[in-house]
Amino acid sequence: GDSVTQMEGPVTLSEEAFLTINCTYTATGYPSLFWYVQYPGEGLQLLLKATKADDKGSNKGFEATYRKETTSFHLEKGSVQVSDSAVYFCALGDYGGATNKLIFGTGTLLAVQP
Amino acid sequence: GAVVSQHPSWVICKSGTSVKIECRSLDFQATTMFWYRQFPKQSLMLMATSNEGSKATYEQGVEKDKFLINHASLTLSTLTVTSAHPEDSSFYICSARDDSGAISTDTQYFGPGTRLTVL
Repeated sequence: GDSVTQMEGPVTLSEEAFLTINCTYTATGYPSLFWYVQYPGEGLQLLLKATKADDKGSNKGFEATYRKETTSFHLEKGSVQVSDSAVYFCALGDYGGATNKLIFGTGTLLAVQP
Repeated sequence: GAVVSQHPSWVICKSGTSVKIECRSLDFQATTMFWYRQFPKQSLMLMATSNEGSKATYEQGVEKDKFLINHASLTLSTLTVTSAHPEDSSFYICSARDDSGAISTDTQYFGPGTRLTVL
C-alpha cells in the first residue's frame, strides 16, 4: 500500500541555519503531497502542498518540490527561526479509494535554538 | 481560514465509562470528516472516515463497536469511546474536508485534538 517515510528527528538547528527534512513516498497513481506543521499545543496546520510532478509548494519561507523521479518531497527553508520549532509531517493524499484519505509520515521534531 | 474545533480538549475518565468527543467545522460544510489517533512521538493513524448521513468507514484493526462515530450534520461528527480502558488513552484528532474544495487537491483542516486519559 501507499506509504510515507520521513527522516527521524529531532533536528536541532541554530537560528538562521538552513533546514532540510527529507520525505519519500511510495504510491500507485499520482497522489498529492503535503507538509503539515504542528506547533506545541496546537492542531495540525497545512504548511504547503503540491498536486503534480515538478510542482513546488511554498509558504512562510518553506518550500518543497514534488519529484516523481525520486519519489521525494523534501522540505527546505533557507533560514529558520525559533518560531519554526514544531513537528513537521509529510503526507500524501490517497485518492485511490472512496475515502480519499491522507497517509502521514512519522513526523520530524524541529528545535531551533537562538 | 477554515476552522475545526474539538470538544473537550482533554478528558479524564474511569475505566469502563464512555466518552464522547465532538468535532465541528465552524465556517464550512464537511460531508467527510476523519478521526485519527496519535501516540506519543508517533504519526497520526487514521481510525475511520466519517460520512454525513451514512455509516463510517473504519480502518483495518479498529473496532467499530468500541469507537462509535456519528456524523449527523454537515458540521458535526462525534466519536464515542465506549467502555474505555487505559490502553485507549491517547490523543484523538479529527479533520474535516471542505466540501467546496476539489477532491483532487484535498485540503483537510484539523482540530486541535482531545487528550483522553483513562484511569
